[in-house]
Amino acid sequence: QKEVEQNSGPLSVPEGAIASLNCTYSDRVSQSFFWYRQYSGKSPELIMSIYSNGDKEDGRFTAQLNKARQYVSLLIRDSQPSDSATYLCAVNSAPGSSNTGKLIFGQGTTLQVKP
Amino acid sequence: EPEVTQTPSHQVTQMGQEVILRCVPISNHLYFYWYRQILGQKVEFLVSFYNNEISEKSEIFDDQFSVERPDGSNFTLKIRSTKLEDSAMYFCASSEEAFANTGELFFGEGSRLTVL
Repeated sequence: QKEVEQNSGPLSVPEGAIASLNCTYSDRVSQSFFWYRQYSGKSPELIMSIYSNGDKEDGRFTAQLNKARQYVSLLIRDSQPSDSATYLCAVNSAPGSSNTGKLIFGQGTTLQVKP
Repeated sequence: EPEVTQTPSHQVTQMGQEVILRCVPISNHLYFYWYRQILGQKVEFLVSFYNNEISEKSEIFDDQFSVERPDGSNFTLKIRSTKLEDSAMYFCASSEEAFANTGELFFGEGSRLTVL
């Protein structure tokens, strides 16, 4: 059973701080990793994708991938109250030519940014 | 900005009734998906669809479920005889062909199904 694990939280940080969200996955052959943001009652919204080991930065967001440790993380710098949401880690389960875009999602980590 | 649209936003039905959830994917996307999220639980893959046929389906997607692309724009999910445990938010998603093998999906706002 392929699994994606996240701490459900809530993770509470003060406005302006760095929020660090973590995710581990069980399927070693996974190649594509995603962070989706989900506001309460809304649909997931893609905010970051990462495919190679190392860091990938996009504005205030940095995704980090370590395939050897089967670990992916998301850092949010200068956290804002509007960042308060559930952050879903998702892993592509069948990379390559057989892939159909099936994603395995984690439970999500709820982030609360306090003004 | 192009978006995936879903109707209805909320449907209440009696157990055993048939339900059809409708989706209009982004126009130049070729891969279509249904996911669901039971309240408080993970987003779960149901089915992927490409070139007018199912590419992959999960164990959840049993004989009670079917998908169809009846015309050039709509993508539907049918549940033939709903059960209480089908109550969930159903998300339609679509992807460009170039990103289908990486998993960059665009989700609709969801259809909430309540089975009584």
